[in-house]
Amino acid sequence: QKEVEQNSGPLSVPEGAIASLNCTYSDRGSQSFFWYRQYSGKSPELIMFIYSNGDKEDGRFTAQLNKASQYVSLLIRDSQPSDSATYLCAVNNGGSQGNLIFGKGTKLSVKP
Amino acid sequence: NAGVTQTPKFQVLKTGQSMTLQCAQDMNHNSMYWYRQDPGMGLRLIYYSASEGTTDKGEVPNGYNVSRLNKREFSLRLESAAPSQTSVYFCASSEVWGTSGGPYNEQFFGPGTRLTVL
Repeated sequence: QKEVEQNSGPLSVPEGAIASLNCTYSDRGSQSFFWYRQYSGKSPELIMFIYSNGDKEDGRFTAQLNKASQYVSLLIRDSQPSDSATYLCAVNNGGSQGNLIFGKGTKLSVKP
Repeated sequence: NAGVTQTPKFQVLKTGQSMTLQCAQDMNHNSMYWYRQDPGMGLRLIYYSASEGTTDKGEVPNGYNVSRLNKREFSLRLESAAPSQTSVYFCASSEVWGTSGGPYNEQFFGPGTRLTVL
């Protein structure tokens, strides 16, 4: 059974701090990795994807991938109260269909 | 450009009733998906359609059927609803691309349907 593990949180950080969200996955064949943000009562929104080892930056967000350690992370710099949400890590499950396996999410709370 | 749309937004059923959840996308994507989301369980794939005319089971297909009506539309049917099917249902679509080192796909989600089965 392929798995994606996340700390459920809640992760609480002060406004302006760096929030670090972590995810591990079990399938070494996974090639693509995604971070979704989900506000309470809303649908998941894609915020980052990463396909290669290393870092990928987009504004205040940085995704980090280490395939050898089967580890992907999301850093949010200068955290804002509007970043308070549940963050879902998703990993493609191999094969040609492109299906994703989702973690259960980490709830982030940014305190003013 | 509406993206992925779902109807209805809310629905209450009695045990044994049937209903169909509708999903449509205007991004010309080949692949479409149905998920359910339950507290503490995360998103779980019910069925998916890699292209028009094909459908396949996901992780939790029991009690559901799907129809890929055309490239735009993918519906989910509950033939005889049970309380265990109380959940939030999300439809998503994507374009799957890449062969070397892939596949790669970014899935985009609809707003969801909140279903309660009494």
